[in-house]
Amino acid sequence: GAVVSQHPSWVICKSGTSVKIECRSLDFQATTMFWYRQFPKQSLMLMATSNEGSKATYEQGVEKDKFLINHASLTLSTLTVTSAHPEDSSFYICSAYSSSYNSPLHFGNGTRLTVT
Amino acid sequence: GQQLNQSPQSMFIQEGEDVSMNCTSSSIFNTWLWYKQDPGEGPVLLIALYKAGELTSNGRLTAQFGITRKDSFLNISASIPSDVGIYFCAGLVQGAQKLVFGQGTRLTINP
Repeated sequence: GAVVSQHPSWVICKSGTSVKIECRSLDFQATTMFWYRQFPKQSLMLMATSNEGSKATYEQGVEKDKFLINHASLTLSTLTVTSAHPEDSSFYICSAYSSSYNSPLHFGNGTRLTVT
Repeated sequence: GQQLNQSPQSMFIQEGEDVSMNCTSSSIFNTWLWYKQDPGEGPVLLIALYKAGELTSNGRLTAQFGITRKDSFLNISASIPSDVGIYFCAGLVQGAQKLVFGQGTRLTINP
C-alpha cells in the first residue's frame, strides 16, 4: 500500500516554457501532498505543502507565482514550473500523507527537469 | 529554522562490515524517519520511529530514537552491495506533517 506515482519521470524543456509535473496517490486518499526539490548531491528541500481544495503553503524563498501547485482531488497534486530557466533544473519529488496510515510520507520516484 | 545534522557525510566500507550513522537536532521531533535513496529515484522509507527511546529493526537495519528526542542512529549489519545508496534521516514536524531532512550519508561498498 501507500504507493505514490509521479509523472513524468524526466522532462527536458526550453527556457521560457512551462512544465507540469503530476503526483498521484494510487491506493489511498492523500489529504496533504508535499513538493520537494533536490539539487545534485544535496538533500531534499521542501518547497510547498499542498492541501486538497485549498491554496498551497510555500516555504520561505520559494516563489509561488513560479511554482504553481494545484491539489484538485485527494489523489492528485500538480506542480507547474512556469517560465522555466536553467537554474530551475533539478530533481523534483512529491510525497503524500494520509492520516489512515501509521507510516507517514511515502515518496514518488521523482521528476528530473532539465531546462536548456 | 529546524535543521538535522547527519554524519558521516560519506562512508567507504568493505562488504560484510557493519555501518553506523546518526543524526542530531537542536529541536525536538516526535517522529523520526530513515530513508534510502538510489540514484534517480525518490526516497524509500526504511524505518519509522515514534517514541523516545524506541529501538526498531527491519531486517539487517536497526534504528533508535534518542531519549531526548533530538537524535537517532541507524545501523546496518553485514552490509551487502545493494545497501549502496544515500541514507537520509528526517524529522517529522508535528501538525504540519512536513519533513526536515538531514544532509544524507552516501554509502559505498567495496566488494
